[in-house]
Amino acid sequence: GENVEQHPSTLSVQEGDSAVIKCTYSDSASNYFPWYKQELGKGPQLIIDIRSNVGEKKDQRIAVTLNKTAKHFSLHITETQPEDSAVYFCAASKGTYKYIFGTGTRLKVLA
Amino acid sequence: DSGVTQTPKHLITATGQRVTLRCSPRSGDLSVYWYQQSLDQGLQFLIQYYNGEERAKGNILERFSAQQFPDLHSELNLSSLELGDSALYFCASNPGLSGNTIYFGEGSWLTVV
Repeated sequence: GENVEQHPSTLSVQEGDSAVIKCTYSDSASNYFPWYKQELGKGPQLIIDIRSNVGEKKDQRIAVTLNKTAKHFSLHITETQPEDSAVYFCAASKGTYKYIFGTGTRLKVLA
Repeated sequence: DSGVTQTPKHLITATGQRVTLRCSPRSGDLSVYWYQQSLDQGLQFLIQYYNGEERAKGNILERFSAQQFPDLHSELNLSSLELGDSALYFCASNPGLSGNTIYFGEGSWLTVV
C-alpha cells in the first residue's frame, strides 16, 4: 500500500544553522506534497506545499524540493530559530484521496 | 485558527465504553478526514468522507465507525474501547478539489482508563 518514509526522526541544530528533513513516497501517482508543523498539544499546521509539476518552492526561510524520479522530497529550513522547534510531518496524496503522512521529525533548535 | 472545530477537546472514559467525537469542517469544505495520533506517533489515516459519502478508508478498526451528515459535520464513533485506543484524534477538512491542502482541527484527546 501507500507509504511515506521520513528521516530523521529527531534533529538537533544550533540556532542559525540549517535543517533538512527528507521523505520518500511509494505511490508514483502521488501529485501533492504538503509539509506540516505541529506544536505541542496543537493540530498540524501547513507550512509549505509543492505539486508534482514543480521541482522547488521557497517561502522566506523555508523551501521544499521534489525529485519525482527518485520519489523523494525534502524540507529545508535556513537560519533556524528557537520557535522552529516542533514536530514536522511530510505527506503525499493523489488528488484528494488519502493524505498519507510520514512518521514525523522532532526538530530542536538549540539557542 | 484553521476553522475546523472538534469537540470534545478532552475525554476520559473506561474500557469497554463507547464515545463519539464530533467535527465541524471549515465553511464550504466538503471533505472530512479522520486521523489517529498515539503518543509520539505519526498521523494514522482512518477514514475520509466527501459530501456525505465514504471516499477512502485507512487502518480503521471494526470497532470504529464514522459518518458525515447532510450539514457536513462528521462524527467518529469509537466502541468497546481498549487502553490502546488512548490517543489524539484529529479531524481535517478541505474543499474536496484536487490538490487542496487539508486543514486540521485542534484534536480530541481520548484517554481510556
